[in-house]
Amino acid sequence: GQQVMQIPQYQHVQEGEDFTTYCNSSTTLSNIQWYKQRPGGHPVFLIQLVKSGEVKKQKRLTFQFGEAKKNSSLHITATQTTDVGTYFCARDFGNEKLTFGTGTRLTIIP
Amino acid sequence: EAGVAQSPRYKIIEKRQSVAFWCNPISGHATLYWYQQILGQGPKLLIQFQNNGVVDDSQLPKDRFSAERLKGVDSTLKIQPAKLEDSAVYLCASSLNYNEKLFFGSGTQLSVL
Repeated sequence: GQQVMQIPQYQHVQEGEDFTTYCNSSTTLSNIQWYKQRPGGHPVFLIQLVKSGEVKKQKRLTFQFGEAKKNSSLHITATQTTDVGTYFCARDFGNEKLTFGTGTRLTIIP
Repeated sequence: EAGVAQSPRYKIIEKRQSVAFWCNPISGHATLYWYQQILGQGPKLLIQFQNNGVVDDSQLPKDRFSAERLKGVDSTLKIQPAKLEDSAVYLCASSLNYNEKLFFGSGTQLSVL
């Protein structure tokens, strides 16, 4: 079936270190969205990527969509305690259905 | 603008009982989603509406779960009878249209004892 792996499952970093999470698909994606969920909260939209090779930046966050539109990454530069949470990619395989990945849970060591 | 409203916020029931959740999406949003999120996992799509029609309900356990979207606005999700494994957070989300960003409600945390 259409599955997308998200790695790593957990990441513990020292405050100020960088963080990267990856979303990999076995099939081509129509587009990909990224969400952040704080502990006890609900997912909040971060970005949507549509074009092959697309790169978008939001302050310390950099989002990339692979050339083959099968993988994506989220990179955070110089993490802060406010970055704590679980980051999900959500994929559209072109069937109008948004499927969420398993998420990467980021914890920050002050 | 007002966000997605969900109620109740918490619900505790015993197995085999029934429960209903309510969702009011953002005004003007055509697409409405119900997701189930089990602790430590990503949200799993249960059903997706486009206006008042069902786009996808392939992962909805139809023997016990039902959902409707009245007049293409509010939606209710019902479980009857509940099982222990239904314990989860039920998230409602809406978007302007499919393929657009989702806005989530605060969710209903269901505990089945």
